[in-house]
Amino acid sequence: QITLKESGPTLVKPTQTLTLTCTFSGFSLSTSGVGVGWIRQPPGKALEWLALIFWDDDKRYSPSLKNRLTITKDTSKNQVVLTMTNMGPVDTATYYCAHRIVGAYFDYWGQGTLVTVSS
Amino acid sequence: DIVLTQSPHSLSVTPGQPASISCKSSQSLLHSDGKTYLYWYLQRPGQPPQLLIYDVSNRFSGVPDRFSGSGSGTDFTLKISRVEAEDVGVYYCMQSIQLPLYTFAQGTKLEIK
Repeated sequence: QITLKESGPTLVKPTQTLTLTCTFSGFSLSTSGVGVGWIRQPPGKALEWLALIFWDDDKRYSPSLKNRLTITKDTSKNQVVLTMTNMGPVDTATYYCAHRIVGAYFDYWGQGTLVTVSS
Repeated sequence: DIVLTQSPHSLSVTPGQPASISCKSSQSLLHSDGKTYLYWYLQRPGQPPQLLIYDVSNRFSGVPDRFSGSGSGTDFTLKISRVEAEDVGVYYCMQSIQLPLYTFAQGTKLEIK
């Protein structure tokens, strides 16, 4: 049974750096083809893909946010960490992590964590 | 960049009646490997998205057979043969042909009459 859970601050101030952790179980991020991605959703708006890390430590980012994002993994802890620098009010959103199957889509998602950016 | 456009923006359906959602891509989602990288998700109120359909027309594990996906190239459709109360939520199509970049459409909100 694959499960994922996001954790991190619920409130950050403008210009601060956000660090989110995705803790997962039921799969290994050392298995060929597997990945973990981050997707966010501003309140009442659509989903936006942010970043993805593969089993071989290959990393990909949304072109529009590439300069602000870093994704890393700790295979031994079954965790993936996303950092986003220079947070602003437009970054207020629910942030989800998701398991990426070899077939290229996200099949299991965490419950999400709401991050509000406000002074 | 590939843009996905869904229609309608919202729909209200009587239980037991069918529903159909369109997803149009600005570029073909047929890859040279023969696969078409188009997926459908349902996001129920207050919940994360859940996978309904992968590779255009394959139902994910546990998805009722009243859900079906079809289409090719740039035009795709999600159909619900008989809408039930639990089908309420926002439906999204997603593409991943430009691996590993992912694009979601703006969503279609389904309500029950």
